[in-house]
Amino acid sequence: NAGVTQTPKFQVLKTGQSMTLQCAQDMNHNSMYWYRQDPGMGLRLIYYSASEGTTDKGEVPNGYNVSRLNKREFSLRLESAAPSQTSVYFCASSDSWTSGVLDQYFGPGTRLLVL
Amino acid sequence: TQLLEQSPQFLSIQEGENLTVYCNSSSVFSSLQWYRQEPGEGPVLLVTVVTGGEVKKLKRLTFQFGDARKDSSLHITAAQPGDTGLYLCAVEYGNKLVFGAGTILRVKS
Repeated sequence: NAGVTQTPKFQVLKTGQSMTLQCAQDMNHNSMYWYRQDPGMGLRLIYYSASEGTTDKGEVPNGYNVSRLNKREFSLRLESAAPSQTSVYFCASSDSWTSGVLDQYFGPGTRLLVL
Repeated sequence: TQLLEQSPQFLSIQEGENLTVYCNSSSVFSSLQWYRQEPGEGPVLLVTVVTGGEVKKLKRLTFQFGDARKDSSLHITAAQPGDTGLYLCAVEYGNKLVFGAGTILRVKS
């Protein structure tokens, strides 16, 4: 099992460009998440999908959109990139029904630089 | 104000030394998790503690959940260079995980 995979690994954008970050999991998890990680600020939740067909805003949703394409895939879109969106983006998945606690499994991250 | 305060922010020690890092809050939680993130990788779950006063051991790592379930500590015995990374605590809050800012640990050989 590959776990959680993310593409691309690195991306450089110019201000105003758009792009989609892809995430897929093969663990049959119901819930998926998108975080951004900035120095000194830990992981901040952008959007999450508790189950297929649902999405909800997290702590820092402005400037982003998401799509839960199916149970396996959850994409994050930047419609008009800004330098403030330079960050490392992590996708995660979990299945709280088996553990009763949110044990999250993370992908390797996408490093995004917006010039 | 962050929900979880982690200290210290950065720790650099020699191989073989012991260390403790902390995760504190003024709120009470039903559980708390510790993750380790190596450079260039995503976080990996180390442990979940759910009972006040609970102590869990993972090889040289000892995790403790405070009696009042407001804080936790991670103690590493005889640190090794492979322990280098970012240590994050996290709690379930509104059916989501909220993370602390983390402690960056560097173990020099």
